[in-house]
Amino acid sequence: SQTIHQWPATLVQPVGSPLSLECTVEGTSNPNLYWYRQAAGRGLQLLFYSVGIGQISSEVPQNLSASRPQDRQFILSSKKLLLSDSGFYLCAWSVRRASYEQYFGPGTRLTVT
Amino acid sequence: KNEVEQSPQNLTAQEGEFITINCSYSVGISALHWLQQHPGGGIVSLFMLSSGKKKHGRLIATINIQEKHSSLHITASHPRDSAVYICAVVGDSNYQLIWGAGTKLIIKP
Repeated sequence: SQTIHQWPATLVQPVGSPLSLECTVEGTSNPNLYWYRQAAGRGLQLLFYSVGIGQISSEVPQNLSASRPQDRQFILSSKKLLLSDSGFYLCAWSVRRASYEQYFGPGTRLTVT
Repeated sequence: KNEVEQSPQNLTAQEGEFITINCSYSVGISALHWLQQHPGGGIVSLFMLSSGKKKHGRLIATINIQEKHSSLHITASHPRDSAVYICAVVGDSNYQLIWGAGTKLIIKP
């Protein structure tokens, strides 16, 4: 069966510090991968999606970046965090040809202080 | 105007009540998701619909494609049903999820 992992589960970082959140998927090959953010009191927002290694599409301009160094690994990064980066970050995956059905990771709660 | 609108935004009810949460959308879709988010943040997919009606335990989801409307019903509600319920549609052109803002449900014992 397929599983999706995210870490860390919670993170408190000072403004200006770097960020690296990792997501890995097991039990499937060539998935589409997604990073979402949920800011406090707001809905989920798609940040990045990837259809393959090294292929990243960005949905909104921001100081975050994403990378996909391996087929089942998706990394969300920032060189310098802003207060507005605080939120709940979700990774998701879908089968390449059925991207309407997405499966979500447990999420990372990031607090920037 | 948001492409996916949910109502109500907040709902408080007594244990045992029948709950209805509504979702209206303005774009062409290939599917619609109902998801549940608990206070810790984790999201669980409840239903994926493209037509008709689905039932799982005390949860029922319906969709009317012509009217661009879906409802999530909870029968015999229980305090453990307290969560945020989110409607998300899959655009029929690019398969991206478009999210509603969520409905915060509180069931009091």
